[in-house]
Amino acid sequence: DQQVKQNSPSLSVQEGRISILNCDYTNSMFDYFLWYKKYPAEGPTFLISISSIKDKNEDGRFTVFLNKSAKHLSLHIVPSQPGDSAVYFCAASAMYGGSQGNLIFGKGTKLSVKP
Amino acid sequence: GAVVSQHPSWVICKSGTSVKIECRSLDFQATTMFWYRQFPKQSLMLMATSNEGSKATYEQGVEKDKFLINHASLTLSTLTVTSAHPEDSSFYICSARGPMLGLGETQYFGPGTRLLVL
Repeated sequence: DQQVKQNSPSLSVQEGRISILNCDYTNSMFDYFLWYKKYPAEGPTFLISISSIKDKNEDGRFTVFLNKSAKHLSLHIVPSQPGDSAVYFCAASAMYGGSQGNLIFGKGTKLSVKP
Repeated sequence: GAVVSQHPSWVICKSGTSVKIECRSLDFQATTMFWYRQFPKQSLMLMATSNEGSKATYEQGVEKDKFLINHASLTLSTLTVTSAHPEDSSFYICSARGPMLGLGETQYFGPGTRLLVL
């Protein structure tokens, strides 16, 4: 059973436009959510996170929105740049519930930003 | 952000040999380190979780005698692939996390180690 789902395996966006990457989760115990960016043959790079007590967190061009009632989060990148082309992983963790805060990853969305 | 290094970045070895991969947190104390494996075009698969000074906790289906994990200090964890075979060829990534002080704690990933077993 996949607890963190990224239903779009790929997304193509024009440079300068907004990229919106979506993520859904099923476990209501999740209380911390993260987005990672990954280039081929490299480790994931932490981008931005949000805790369940917030519904929005912004860092430069990156904004993460959390809708707890819908169990949905999204990453907005504005404006998108060709260097943003990578695979983006959504991850969630639960402080309580026996999982010790371990991250559960989605399968990733490959973002392509075209010049 | 915090820096995690891995060494080596790639290794080619003969079938039957053992390979050790090091993971270091360079600027913070990692109370917990994680080892992941990534197959082509797939997500990260958690192999094991290790807390400093204690035995690693392995995920279901991961052979603990084959993938030996040692977390001897707050800045170093090692993964040893024993008697490696071609099916062990993969991209191995470690991550490190500081103490869980509050609501959530970020994991920082190493750059990964590509293992090719001939």
